[in-house]
Amino acid sequence: EAQVTQNPRYLITVTGKKLTVTCSQNMNHEYMSWYRQDPGLGLRQIYYSMNVEVTDKGDVPEGYKVSRKEKRNFPLILESPSPNQTSLYFCASSPWTSGETQYFGPGTRLLVL
Amino acid sequence: GENVEQHPSTLSVQEGDSAVIKCTYSDSASNYFPWYKQELGKRPQLIIDIRSNVGEKKDQRIAVTLNKTAKHFSLHITETQPEDSAVYFCASRGAGSYQLTFGKGTKLSVIP
Repeated sequence: EAQVTQNPRYLITVTGKKLTVTCSQNMNHEYMSWYRQDPGLGLRQIYYSMNVEVTDKGDVPEGYKVSRKEKRNFPLILESPSPNQTSLYFCASSPWTSGETQYFGPGTRLLVL
Repeated sequence: GENVEQHPSTLSVQEGDSAVIKCTYSDSASNYFPWYKQELGKRPQLIIDIRSNVGEKKDQRIAVTLNKTAKHFSLHITETQPEDSAVYFCASRGAGSYQLTFGKGTKLSVIP
């Protein structure tokens, strides 16, 4: 089944404890992206990648890191999480390097205490 | 950077009526405009999109119109059904950009 998967789906952590949220797609998509969703603010793009080893900042990249060493994986790293990073995170992928027609993963709900 | 304003933030319609959601964008060179539907507790799903070289696109009960002069685009849902109840997000992509900028969403409630 063609899909975008994220792990974990739910995570509670404490301030400063490094964490990684994994994202994987099995559709051979070129483009992958991370968004955060907060009430009243909609979806905001954190980072995106047009291809392997090519990444760029979105609108809210501060406090996050990403890497794209393989086409199928695009992990989101929080080196030192803070409470303002409590949010719902979505990974998405697209068959086009332009980012059109994005398919979203199921989401990861993160709580930073 | 690109800025997208979406209105209204909430919309209630009677089943069978039409619903219209409007978005305005700031970058006159923006060239791609998707609409996503997000049901409660689910992921956003693309329902329709339009490119800047097209003025209107339809898919069954949904349609999107684009007015490049006024820099706005709208989602039209006809013959609304209870299963249309969801949050709808518009987005735009600036020229030469690989980034989507989303509106803040419209919560649509269809009353049976």
